[in-house]
Amino acid sequence: DTAVSQTPKYLVTQMGNDKSIKCEQNLGHDTMYWYKQDSKKFLKIMFSYNNKELIINETVPNRFSPKSPDKAHLNLHINSLELGDSAVYFCASSQRGGTGELFFGEGSRLTVL
Amino acid sequence: DQQVKQNSPSLSVQEGRISILNCDYTNSMFDYFLWYKKYPAEGPTFLISISSIKDKNEDGRFTVFLNKSAKHLSLHIVPSQPGDSAVYFCAAKVPGGKLIFGQGTELSVKP
Repeated sequence: DTAVSQTPKYLVTQMGNDKSIKCEQNLGHDTMYWYKQDSKKFLKIMFSYNNKELIINETVPNRFSPKSPDKAHLNLHINSLELGDSAVYFCASSQRGGTGELFFGEGSRLTVL
Repeated sequence: DQQVKQNSPSLSVQEGRISILNCDYTNSMFDYFLWYKKYPAEGPTFLISISSIKDKNEDGRFTVFLNKSAKHLSLHIVPSQPGDSAVYFCAAKVPGGKLIFGQGTELSVKP
């Protein structure tokens, strides 16, 4: 039973389209994240939600809009996709505090043509 | 302005030998450091962590060393096994907040 699951795993789309990636965790964690791994391989945090409340919002274009309907779900919607949005997007969850250990999903590879 | 750096993109080691993966950081306020392991087409998985008030933490074949004066940590894997072949990410935690990751080192353990 997958702890953090995200869909779709692969997404190929045209520039200008709007797409969403969904994430769900069944670990009972109260904090969820979106990370982006770009072509340089860095894992960079984009957003973090704690109990449905946005707590971290890095310098991300406002074409990216996270939505957390409840503490087990964090979805990422991207408007007007650009070539530079091509990356692997990872969802993660954790319990707030402590060591900060994150549990990651398998990633969603987005390719914008 | 990358606060966590892994300067070696790759490392190749013979099976049975020691693998040493290195990580440097710039922010002395980090309170925890973590290592993650990532296989292709999978998400990173937690391996081992260390508090900033310690200098060593050991878990089986994996040991993490922290040198705060040098702002440097390392992960030792002894003995290395082919199944250890993966990308290893170093991460540092901001107090009360997010993890900042390095760019990873790809370890290849040859039989």
